[in-house]
This record gives sequence, C-alpha cells and structure tokens, in this order.
Amino acid sequence: DIQLTQSPSFLSASVGDRVTITCRASQGISNYLAWYQQKPGKAPKLLIYAASTLQSGVPSSFSASGSGTEFTLTISSLQPEDFGAYYCQQLNSYPLTFGGGTKVEIK
Amino acid sequence: EVQLLESGGGLVQPGGSLRLSCAASGFTFDSYAMSWVRQAPGKGLEWVSSISNSGDTTPYADSVKGRFTISRDSSKNTLHLQMNSLRAEDTAVYYCVKCGGTCQYNRFDVWGQGTLVTVSS
Repeated sequence: DIQLTQSPSFLSASVGDRVTITCRASQGISNYLAWYQQKPGKAPKLLIYAASTLQSGVPSSFSASGSGTEFTLTISSLQPEDFGAYYCQQLNSYPLTFGGGTKVEIK
Repeated sequence: EVQLLESGGGLVQPGGSLRLSCAASGFTFDSYAMSWVRQAPGKGLEWVSSISNSGDTTPYADSVKGRFTISRDSSKNTLHLQMNSLRAEDTAVYYCVKCGGTCQYNRFDVWGQGTLVTVSS
C-alpha cells in the first residue's frame, strides 16, 4: 500500500500569511494526487486534483505542485475562512489512501 | 445541482449488520464510479470501497474486505454499502462520494453530508 505523510500535522498562522503543506508518498504516484479541505462537522471538499489543477470554484489563493513522491499545497494569503483540516489523497493505486491531515488554525 | 444523500446509519451491536444507501441526483449516475469513505470520531479519512460505473469492479480496503459489500442500482440512482460482522472500530461517519469518472487516476469531486454508524453494545 502507498503511505502518504503530511507535514506539519498542525499549523497556526495569521491572516495574510503564506502557508505551505507537504505530502510525501512512499512510492512514486506520478501526478495522481488530490487535496481536500474539511471544516468541522462538514464533508471534505475537493480543492486540487491531478496534483496541480484547481477545482472549479476554488479561490485562486490555493495552488499546488509536485510529481512523483513530493507534493505541496500552498495558500498564498491565508483568509479567516481557510481554517480547517487539509488532506492529500493518492489515486494512483488501490487502496486509495489519504494522508493523516493538517489542521490549520488562524492565529 | 449534483447531490448525494446518505441514509441508513445508526446504532448497531457488535456483530450486527447495517445497510447504507446514497441517493444520487443531478448527474448521469451510470457514467461515474462511486466510493465510500469513512471517518472515525476525531480521526482522518479512510477510503472504504469503490465501484465502477458498470458495477463490475469493486475494490475494498483490507479492513473491511469480506465483511462489506458495495453495490449500485442504476434504476434508482442509488449506491449501497452492506456492512456485516460490524466491529467497534467500524464506528465512523460514512461518506458517499462521486468520482470524477473512474475513481483511480481521477478525483473524488462530490461528497455527501455523511451518515454516522455507531457500533456499540
């Protein structure tokens, strides 16, 4: 099975800060990686797919890059509504595993 | 508007069974693979199972293989998850998910609101 390791597991940042979350895969997954945002008590929401493609309706403050085993999600200017948990997911092979998550807190 | 509405969750004793359903609307159900993803209280996301658009491919997580069965009813635009031999560790919110085409090599683009399954005596 492919393991995904996210870092950090928790981050606290101020409005306007640039924030970066990393996701590392235990083996190469090409660009078959997605990112999701989840707010407390709500279902996850797709932000990014194919490693760097922004899902329709997602603010352009979100961007992502990577290929192979190393991926990053960046929020260029953190907004109050960006709090929550962020998960990466590999879609290269079954089981379609998720990273452990990164909880983002607004200072 | 694409909508997924789960039902069937609840409290069940260890060893018991439960059948989850997910009513899909707003898209051509037959054209998309579907999945179930669960989230234990306070924990991260765990993929459970997927089903191809035709229903002939159904991979499962090792944690549920042999106990859970995913199926789809195209006449009713409904996805199901039959859960047998339930364990305490199956306690979670279960999400119904639409894939972007296939699930592998694609994305989980629409999520239902989730249904809570609690396994406890």
